[in-house]
Amino acid sequence: KNEVEQSPQNLTAQEGEFITINCSYSVGISALHWLQQHPGGGIVSLFMLSSGKKKHGRLIATINIQEKHSSLHITASHPRDSAVYICAAASGNTPLVFGKGTRLSVIA
Amino acid sequence: DAGVIQSPRHEVTEMGQEVTLRCKPISGHDYLFWYRQTMMRGLELLIYFNNNVPIDDSGMPEDRFSAKMPNASFSTLKIQPSEPRDSAVYFCASSLLGQGYGYTFGSGTRLTVV
Repeated sequence: KNEVEQSPQNLTAQEGEFITINCSYSVGISALHWLQQHPGGGIVSLFMLSSGKKKHGRLIATINIQEKHSSLHITASHPRDSAVYICAAASGNTPLVFGKGTRLSVIA
Repeated sequence: DAGVIQSPRHEVTEMGQEVTLRCKPISGHDYLFWYRQTMMRGLELLIYFNNNVPIDDSGMPEDRFSAKMPNASFSTLKIQPSEPRDSAVYFCASSLLGQGYGYTFGSGTRLTVV
């Protein structure tokens, strides 16, 4: 069974800082998802990637298949980025395996 | 598209009562997933359907939980009888072609069993 580890568990940053959240997995995957959940809110899919890099606004997601590692970067962080970020690994038709999430707080 | 629609948004019920959660997936999506989220366990997959057929229900915690998908546009998750430890947020999600593809989550149902 795939094991998905995220780091850090909690992260506090000052507004404007560059943020990196890491995700590693133990077994080869077909895709990796990055999800965002605001406090008391629903879950939004940010990225799904199987190779390389994807960018959306101030968010960038990268994946290194050989090293079984993915990162989510936030440039010029803002208090509205405060949320829990979750990575999840997809392998064929087996259920997604979720990391425990990284709780990000961005302080103005 | 209105996205994945779940109802109710909040449900408070007494222990022993039957609870039914509802989900309408995005039109055209062929996969539907039910998840439970708690502080202790995070997100857990309960069951998923492909073309209305249950594929994997190994995540359903007990016989008290059941899920149906009578047609492509509707699914229910039922808990009978409910217990306080069932209190959680229940999410429904749908996707096209499976888990290696883009997901859309519903807003969730916050269930409190007292």
